[in-house]
Amino acid sequence: EVQLVESGGGLVQPGGSLRLSCAASGFTFSSYAMHWVRQAPGKGLEYVSAISSNGGSTYYANSVKGRFTISRDNSKNTLYLQMGSLRAEDMAVYYCARDTGPALEMATIDWGQGTLVTVSS
Amino acid sequence: EIVLTQSPATLSLSPGERATLSCRASQSVSSYLAWYQQKPGQAPRLLIYDASNRATGIPARFSGSGSGTDFTLTISSLEPEDFAVYYCQQRSNWGTFGQGTKVEIK
Repeated sequence: EVQLVESGGGLVQPGGSLRLSCAASGFTFSSYAMHWVRQAPGKGLEYVSAISSNGGSTYYANSVKGRFTISRDNSKNTLYLQMGSLRAEDMAVYYCARDTGPALEMATIDWGQGTLVTVSS
Repeated sequence: EIVLTQSPATLSLSPGERATLSCRASQSVSSYLAWYQQKPGQAPRLLIYDASNRATGIPARFSGSGSGTDFTLTISSLEPEDFAVYYCQQRSNWGTFGQGTKVEIK
């Protein structure tokens, strides 16, 4: 069974930093591209970032470009999102999701339960 | 950026009725469109991929159609567990989501 478990969310002040993690199990992590998708309270879904299976290709939404960095450690079956210069509008539930294959197809078939990031002073 | 517009924003129906949800793209996305269902406090669940293909384990009452800029998700006969928010998502040019359609009990 595919499992994606996010962690690292919490309360951070505006301008602060946070690193999210997503622990994957139940599939060959190194064979799949992975994504971060967020959802602000009461709002819709927004793609944040994506990374190919070997880390060679990445994608960032314009809203986070230059502030967030996606990475992965295939030896630990873990996906990361390093978030910096956080703003109030970054407050959201952040979901980790699995793509359909190694490349960035932007097709998310399995999702974690999410971790909440709150940006407030 | 490709913008997806979903309509209606809210659909009020009774169990057993047919639900028809629309998603329109600002430019052609070919057949690269998916539909997700989200219930309160839960992660989205993939229902339909590439416009008309049901994901694994999705009941046959869910069907998708369309290509280019106009797409439809149809739920043939609403079950109590189908009342939720539905999002469309394109992957023709990176990825964007529609704003969602809430299917509520009338």
